[in-house]
Amino acid sequence: GQQLNQSPQSMFIQEGEDVSMNCTSSSIFNTWLWYKQDPGEGPVLLIALYKAGELTSNGRLTAQFGITRKDSFLNISASIPSDVGIYFCAGQNYDMRFGAGTRLTVKP
Amino acid sequence: DVKVTQSSRYLVKRTGEKVFLECVQDMDHENMFWYRQDPGLGLRLIYFSYDVKMKEKGDIPEGYSVSREKKERFSLILESASTNQTSMYLCASTEGRLSEAFFGQGTRLTVV
Repeated sequence: GQQLNQSPQSMFIQEGEDVSMNCTSSSIFNTWLWYKQDPGEGPVLLIALYKAGELTSNGRLTAQFGITRKDSFLNISASIPSDVGIYFCAGQNYDMRFGAGTRLTVKP
Repeated sequence: DVKVTQSSRYLVKRTGEKVFLECVQDMDHENMFWYRQDPGLGLRLIYFSYDVKMKEKGDIPEGYSVSREKKERFSLILESASTNQTSMYLCASTEGRLSEAFFGQGTRLTVV
């Protein structure tokens, strides 16, 4: 199947620091999405990207859809304790594939 | 609000049992998905369906089957449960081909 390589696998940061994570694929996707999962819950959408080269912000979150349609990144600025969780990238055609996730820990 | 409901949060089944995981969505979404989530592996696609009675294999369909008799309901079936199917199972739905997925809360299945 289509493989999404997400990095880093985990991050331990201080409150207030910026965070960056990315996802690459050998396949082209029509849509890239970023999700966050809190413990015991299903993933919740953070940002959706629909066009190659698109840069989209949602509060402290910024994500970009790579120009080759094979990659995407997510930045979180000025992290806060509630940013803790697992972040997943997802590539969408008529199905949807996920990366392995980035586990974020924020130390107050 | 879109709601995706999975019938059980926790299940414990014995090896060899036939297991049914049910998922219902209330927003008339076309597409429904079943994933399993394991530490370090992310969400892996088992099966998906883009219409009633239609199904497509994902990356790891072996040992599973699905049923979509009604638009709102997508069932995942473990024909003969095995211990390596112990996992968190997540159901999702989308309105169209390229649109946001809404997830259920997950079913944590333990096979003993």
